[in-house]
Amino acid sequence: AQSVTQLDSQVPVFEEAPVELRCNYSSSVSVYLFWYVQYPNQGLQLLLKYLSGSTLVKGINGFEAEFNKSQTSFHLRKPSVHISDTAEYFCAVSDPPNDMRFGAGTRLTVKP
Amino acid sequence: ETGVTQSPTHLIKTRGQQVTLRCSSQSGHNTVSWYQQALGQGPQFIFQYYREEENGRGNFPPRFSGLQFPNYSSELNVNALELDDSALYLCASSLGISGELFFGEGSRLTVL
Repeated sequence: AQSVTQLDSQVPVFEEAPVELRCNYSSSVSVYLFWYVQYPNQGLQLLLKYLSGSTLVKGINGFEAEFNKSQTSFHLRKPSVHISDTAEYFCAVSDPPNDMRFGAGTRLTVKP
Repeated sequence: ETGVTQSPTHLIKTRGQQVTLRCSSQSGHNTVSWYQQALGQGPQFIFQYYREEENGRGNFPPRFSGLQFPNYSSELNVNALELDDSALYLCASSLGISGELFFGEGSRLTVL
C-alpha cells in the first residue's frame, strides 16, 4: 500500500525567503501525487497535482513541485513566501484514485 | 456554483452515543469521500460513495457507516462513540472516483 512521509513537521521562514517542503512516498505502482493547503478552521485546498507528463508541476499561489521517481519524492517549493502562506501543507498519494493517503502535514510559518 | 457544505460545524457527544454528520456535495459532483483528521495529523480515508454505493473503504471499523442519497449528498454515521473518535471529519466531493477532490470545512466532533 502507498504511504507518504513529510520530512519536516514545522518549517519557519522569513518573508520573501524561498521555501521547500519535503515529501517522500512509497508505492509499488504508478501514483498520483498532490499537495494541499489547510488554513486555520478551513478544509483542504488543492495546490497542485502530478498525474503524468512533465515532472515539474506548477500550482496556485506561485507554488511548484517536482516529481522525482528515482528518489520517490515530490517536494514543494516557492521562491519567495508571503505572510499569507502561513498554513498547514499536506502531501498526498493516490493509488487507486479513491484511496488518497495523506502525510502528517508540515506547518509553514512565515515571519515578517 | 455552491461548494461543499457540512453540518454541524461543531458538536459534543459522550462516549457510547451515536452521531450523524451531513455533507452536501458541490453542484454536479456524484462522488463523496469522507476523511477523519485527528489533531496534529493528516486526514485518514474512511470511505467513498459513488452513485449511492460504497466504493472503497479505509481501515475503519464497521461502526463507521455512511449513506449517499439520490441528490449525491451524504451522511457519515458513527455508533458507540469512543474518545479517540474526537476529530475533524472532512467531506470531499468530486466528479467521478478519480476526479479532483473539493473539501468542505469539516465537522469537529468532541467525544467526552
